[in-house]
Amino acid sequence: AQSVTQLDSQVPVFEEAPVELRCNYSSSVSVYLFWYVQYPNQGLQLLLKYLSGSTLVKGINGFEAEFNKSQTSFHLRKPSVHISDTAEYFCAVSEGWTGNQFYFGTGTSLTVIP
Amino acid sequence: DTAVSQTPKYLVTQMGNDKSIKCEQNLGHDTMYWYKQDSKKFLKIMFSYNNKELIINETVPNRFSPKSPDKAHLNLHINSLELGDSAVYFCASSQDGMTNSPLHFGNGTRLTVT
Repeated sequence: AQSVTQLDSQVPVFEEAPVELRCNYSSSVSVYLFWYVQYPNQGLQLLLKYLSGSTLVKGINGFEAEFNKSQTSFHLRKPSVHISDTAEYFCAVSEGWTGNQFYFGTGTSLTVIP
Repeated sequence: DTAVSQTPKYLVTQMGNDKSIKCEQNLGHDTMYWYKQDSKKFLKIMFSYNNKELIINETVPNRFSPKSPDKAHLNLHINSLELGDSAVYFCASSQDGMTNSPLHFGNGTRLTVT
């Protein structure tokens, strides 16, 4: 079965500093990769996705992620964070050809410090 | 113009009671899901319906019974509630249930069983 690892459960960062949230997955088959954000008391919203093509994908709110097949990683980055980026971030993976469901990581809580 | 809406937002009830959570999507999607998010924020799929047909039925107690009267609605009925059922339940939809179609989440129902 697929597994998704988000190594950092909590990431504090100062406002306007860069941030990277890490995501690794285990799969030997073709995968689709997603990052979702969850603000307090809300559902998950799609930040960005990788389906195919360029390994660097850009999403909403200035976030981007890079797919690295050899390292089975899909790390999320933002060059300068804002207070409003404080939220829970989830990495999700689905298997391209045979799967029918998504596997979520355990989430990373990003706290932006003024 | 809410895309995926679920009611109620909060549900507090006693052990042994039966309760329902309703979900509706106005996106025209074919596939709907129920996810459970535990106190550690871990997201686990419970059920998936495609055009009113059950596709995924993970290992969930049979006290949980989904019902899909049409493809825009997926309700969750829970019998004989237990303390361990306390969690946030998210409804989601995707365009066609394929794993390259992102999920669209509702805002969640926080269930507290006392």
